[in-house]
Amino acid sequence: EDKVVQSPLSLVVHEGDTVTLNCSYEVTNFRSLLWYKQEKKAPTFLFMLTSSGIEKKSGRLSSILDKKELFSILNITATQTGDSAIYLCAVFSDSGYALNFGKGTSLLVTP
Amino acid sequence: DTAVSQTPKYLVTQMGNDKSIKCEQNLGHDTMYWYKQDSKKFLKIMFSYNNKELIINETVPNRFSPKSPDKAHLNLHINSLELGDSAVYFCASSPVTGELFFGEGSRLTVL
Repeated sequence: EDKVVQSPLSLVVHEGDTVTLNCSYEVTNFRSLLWYKQEKKAPTFLFMLTSSGIEKKSGRLSSILDKKELFSILNITATQTGDSAIYLCAVFSDSGYALNFGKGTSLLVTP
Repeated sequence: DTAVSQTPKYLVTQMGNDKSIKCEQNLGHDTMYWYKQDSKKFLKIMFSYNNKELIINETVPNRFSPKSPDKAHLNLHINSLELGDSAVYFCASSPVTGELFFGEGSRLTVL
């Protein structure tokens, strides 16, 4: 069965700090890894990663995938209180039929 | 225009009752899903539906049944509700690349 493990499970930082969220996976026939942000309602899509070593960036957020070591990181620089959310990592594989999610990292950014 | 919409947003009901949640997507995606998010925010796949092919997570009780009248709709019917069914149920759709687009969720409370 596919396995997705996120760490840490929760994190509290001050505004302006940089954070790194981790996601490791064990899947058969890996296809892609995705990051989502969930605030009060539905998860919203951040990044999809399919190739090793290619950084994806969106503003202060960036993410990279290492297919050899089977992990991904999500970086947030100069954090703001609006970054407070649960960050979800999910993996899509050819042997699965849907995205398989990790348990999430709950990030709280304090003023 | 909302891309993935589900109704109702909130359901409060008694144990033993039957309830349905409706979901519609206007993104033209071929695949739709139901996910259950528990109190610890863990998102777990329940069903995937693609071109009349239903894939069921074997851990889902048979009291849960998805119904798809057409490609844009995937409803969830739950019989004989139990306390443990209390959760937020998310409908989602995806293109062939696999990223999910979520509805806003339906919070079910079973008393």
